[in-house]
Amino acid sequence: LAKTTQPISMDSYEGQEVNITCSHNNIATNDYITWYQQFPSQGPRFIIQGYKTKVTNEVASLFIPADRKSSTLSLPRVSLSDTAVYYCLVDPMDSSYKLIFGSGTRLLVRP
Amino acid sequence: GAGVSQTPSNKVTEKGKYVELRCDPISGHTALYWYRQSLGQGPEFLIYFQGTGAADDSGLPNDRFFAVRPEGSVSTLKIQRTERGDSAVYLCASSLGGAGNTGELFFGEGSRLTVL
Repeated sequence: LAKTTQPISMDSYEGQEVNITCSHNNIATNDYITWYQQFPSQGPRFIIQGYKTKVTNEVASLFIPADRKSSTLSLPRVSLSDTAVYYCLVDPMDSSYKLIFGSGTRLLVRP
Repeated sequence: GAGVSQTPSNKVTEKGKYVELRCDPISGHTALYWYRQSLGQGPEFLIYFQGTGAADDSGLPNDRFFAVRPEGSVSTLKIQRTERGDSAVYLCASSLGGAGNTGELFFGEGSRLTVL
């Protein structure tokens, strides 16, 4: 399974756009890229998933360059409630249940 | 309920005791997963059920850990002779599909186990 590398922590302010970049140099052809969000005392929550180019939903956008060796989660106009840990996962289609989470990025949004 | 339900939410036990943690998945979800999360770390895979059978239990740390899902719905994670190192949050998740399906996993809030 591909290993991911992402910043340990990030700080931002309310109303700003936040971009969290994840490296996955050994990503395989059939791997998807998935991001989860986790608040304290809660389980992780699926945010977004993509294979290549750009994916957007009501919560975030995911940018994946052509070589797929990295990806960037973009959160538009963050609020205090976006303070959480964000996990980047590389998710093989043949064993998508065995998610490898890593330590994630702790995002702190300040007033 | 609408989401994955886990009980108890908190469990404090003594070293050497037996513990059971219960997971009630989202209705209709055939796949069920157990993860363990230590402080400051991401969740770590333990076991995966597709229906009643354990399709992959390679993440169970040793033979003190066992999980069942007898009717393909509720699952119980069982830990024998607990050790202080077993202290963690045990997360359960469910999904519509399983291996080969890239659908999202829905996690419960977890059961926090503390072994004194």
